[in-house]
Amino acid sequence: QLQLQESGPGLVKPSETLSLTCSVSGGSISASGYYWGWIRQPPGKGLEWIGSIFYSGSTYYNPSLKSRVTISADTSENQFSLNLSSVTAADTAVYYCARLTNYFQDWGQGTLVTVFS
Amino acid sequence: QSALTQPASVSGSPGQSITISCTGTSSDVGGYNYVSWYQQHPGKAPKLMIYDVSKRPSGVSNRFSGSKSGNTASLTISGLQAEDEADYYCCSYAGSSTWVFGGGTKLTVL
Repeated sequence: QLQLQESGPGLVKPSETLSLTCSVSGGSISASGYYWGWIRQPPGKGLEWIGSIFYSGSTYYNPSLKSRVTISADTSENQFSLNLSSVTAADTAVYYCARLTNYFQDWGQGTLVTVFS
Repeated sequence: QSALTQPASVSGSPGQSITISCTGTSSDVGGYNYVSWYQQHPGKAPKLMIYDVSKRPSGVSNRFSGSKSGNTASLTISGLQAEDEADYYCCSYAGSSTWVFGGGTKLTVL
């Protein structure tokens, strides 16, 4: 059974960089054909795809966030990470990591990140 | 890349059927058979209910079904139950390894 677990600071100051890691167990992030992605949900609002990294290492980002987002993977640790720079209060959200193909099939439990000075 | 359009809310009585629409464009919903639907209860992670427009993952009730016509996809829940009360989100592949979600629909079981 694949499990994903987000980790990282729950509070980030405005203008700083939000950094989160998704640890994967029960499967390899190098497994052929899968993307590993990040999705966020501001309080009381809908889901937004942030970006994904393919098993090959190629990355894909939401155009609206592309200038601030970096997703990377550490295959030795079987985890992948999200960096979102120059954060503002609008980046306050629950951040989920997920495994996907043409759909988001497995999700982490999510972690709340608050941008607060 | 704009969010897909869903009604903000729908409601139905136990035993009834409801349908939630999800409207996009020819660049996402209309262009690919990769529409998926997610159920989210308060404080929980989303759960995959339908993928590839109309396929159900193992373990999902056959009361849930999906379809698509042109740029609009639909999720139908038949035989409504109290446990179906949740938020529902559609999602579509939008080309070039990008995805777009709908704004979400709150389902109330009366």
